[in-house]
Amino acid sequence: GDSVTQMEGPVTLSEEAFLTINCTYTATGYPSLFWYVQYPGEGLQLLLKATKADDKGSNKGFEATYRKETTSFHLEKGSVQVSDSAVYFCALSPYNTDKLIFGTGTRLQVFP
Amino acid sequence: KAGVTQTPRYLIKTRGQQVTLSCSPISGHRSVSWYQQTPGQGLQFLFEYFSETQRNKGNFPGRFSGRQFSNSRSEMNVSTLELGDSALYLCASSPGLAGATSSYEQYFGPGTRLTVT
Repeated sequence: GDSVTQMEGPVTLSEEAFLTINCTYTATGYPSLFWYVQYPGEGLQLLLKATKADDKGSNKGFEATYRKETTSFHLEKGSVQVSDSAVYFCALSPYNTDKLIFGTGTRLQVFP
Repeated sequence: KAGVTQTPRYLIKTRGQQVTLSCSPISGHRSVSWYQQTPGQGLQFLFEYFSETQRNKGNFPGRFSGRQFSNSRSEMNVSTLELGDSALYLCASSPGLAGATSSYEQYFGPGTRLTVT
């Protein structure tokens, strides 16, 4: 079945460091891909999305590109801030559904 | 526009009891999905309702059920609670479309934290 694999955390970085969180997926057809973020004590917020191959999603300095050839959707940010500390979830939505399949989440900790 | 609201925010129940959780979607949204979040299993899809009909279902036992009302509000029910049902239950809404689309964003509520003792 469809699934998402993302790198284990926690990822610990100093402020202004470069961030990469790897995400790969297995799916039939053409899923949509998402990154969600969960701040401590809060619900999930959509960070960015891409709906077809080679699309780049971006928001708040974060970017991810839908790579069908490598079935990947890696999250990147050029310069992280302490306020980016949160848990990041990669997810896919199978074609023609509103169902989301999530990865296990990656905790990011950014220190001043 | 008000976001997705869930009530109650916290619940403590005893094994064997049943529980009902409520979700009010964003105004105008017709699709409501439910997810269970636990440290061990992560985020897992329970079911999705659109226009009062269950459109998708995850791999959960029949003790987990849901429904959607004509105003798009949704409830989920868990009967015969087990210790393993302790989790954060998240509700998400999206505009949806008859025939479905995978490109709609889902907006999540803050969740209901259920503790089963």
